[in-house]
Amino acid sequence: SAVISQKPSRDICQRGTSLTIQCQVDSQVTMMFWYRQQPGQSLTLIATANQGSEATYESGFVIDKFPISRPNLTFSTLTVSNMSPEDSSIYLCSVERDPSSYGYTFGSGTRLTVV
Amino acid sequence: QQQVKQSPQSLIVQKGGISIINCAYENTAFDYFPWYQQFPGKGPALLIAIRPDVSEKKEGRFTISFNKSAKQFSLHIMDSQPGDSATYFCAASRDDKIIFGKGTRLHILP
Repeated sequence: SAVISQKPSRDICQRGTSLTIQCQVDSQVTMMFWYRQQPGQSLTLIATANQGSEATYESGFVIDKFPISRPNLTFSTLTVSNMSPEDSSIYLCSVERDPSSYGYTFGSGTRLTVV
Repeated sequence: QQQVKQSPQSLIVQKGGISIINCAYENTAFDYFPWYQQFPGKGPALLIAIRPDVSEKKEGRFTISFNKSAKQFSLHIMDSQPGDSATYFCAASRDDKIIFGKGTRLHILP
């Protein structure tokens, strides 16, 4: 299965600023996904990012707040813009299902605290 | 409906005991049912998964039981150890859509 590296692993940011999270995969993948996990909660899909096209956002998430880039088949970024304390969460990236195991692999996450 | 309902929300088990976490789904189109284990500060890691054409899958101390007619599946952790203390998420997926349960915080008493 794919190995996913996420940076930064954690950050503390001032409200009103923006943070860009990077996700690097060790193999080429068509689809990458960005999730948010609020404290003590489950994972919520933010958007799906395909290389060469606009990201598709889930209900409740908008591009102005969470712009996503997908410049190639192994890399994606998620920006959390104009942050508020309510954005304090773990942000995770994932990739398409492994065709042999059907498993989804996740990065180790970025723990964001907004003060 | 796309929900996956997971219970209990939290669970305390004595070392050596059996931990049981239950999930129920509604959409019969799901074709893959994974369980994820998440330790504090880490991303969720795939623990074990099952396809709906199988009623049980065992990997070491971890077993998934699957009841297709009832649309329910469960995770059993045999001989539970303090190192198993983590949050467990069940999920259901089809194609590239995956829906997670709300999670169960498991604590194994030493």
